[in-house]
Amino acid sequence: AQKITQTQPGMFVQEKEAVTLDCTYDTSDPSYGLFWYKQPSSGEMIFLIYQGSYDQQNATEGRYSLNFQKARKSANLVISASQLGDSAMYFCAMREGTSGTYKYIFGTGTRLKVLA
Amino acid sequence: NAGVMQNPRHLVRRRGQEARLRCSPMKGHSHVYWYRQLPEEGLKFMVYLQKENIIDESGMPKERFSAEFPKEGPSILRIQQVVRGDSAAYFCASSVVGGGTDTQYFGPGTRLTVL
Repeated sequence: AQKITQTQPGMFVQEKEAVTLDCTYDTSDPSYGLFWYKQPSSGEMIFLIYQGSYDQQNATEGRYSLNFQKARKSANLVISASQLGDSAMYFCAMREGTSGTYKYIFGTGTRLKVLA
Repeated sequence: NAGVMQNPRHLVRRRGQEARLRCSPMKGHSHVYWYRQLPEEGLKFMVYLQKENIIDESGMPKERFSAEFPKEGPSILRIQQVVRGDSAAYFCASSVVGGGTDTQYFGPGTRLTVL
């Protein structure tokens, strides 16, 4: 079974609109972390946002927020007020294990295209 | 504070040659991860290292691939006798363990092309 699933290979959004990128995960660890990374066409991986499994509140970082629904095992990324520069691949990742022996697993990514 | 550094950014090798990829973690980070990304795919974990210690190499091919993170100097991913299928982007990430979120920060990657 896939540990991290991103079901949307590609998404389009109009500039200034909000968009939600889906991510579901599968783990039996009670303690885990969820991450989102952005990979623009230049290729680098940019850390966007983190959510810990015990965090009570949804994480937010500027225009990025993480809609964390623990019972559903979903960690969707919401980008508000999309900008042309948001066009990129977005990867969801999960960290399992204990500090010093962590494993990180990445999803297959969602390609987002922001339309002017 | 400099980020994770990787060099070279682009590497071209002929089949059968060796490829050496270097990664300098962020200052204060003692843990390094290597990933491989094939075109249009996600990142695949290869190896997780601490200084002078391999913690997890379950994602490394058994042959031709090796990694080290010496006490001094960068982490090195070595691929011997490269084949065309080794062509990919190789990313290094570093983290500080016990630093809260233990977030991984990535380098810019090395794009390996095997002719």
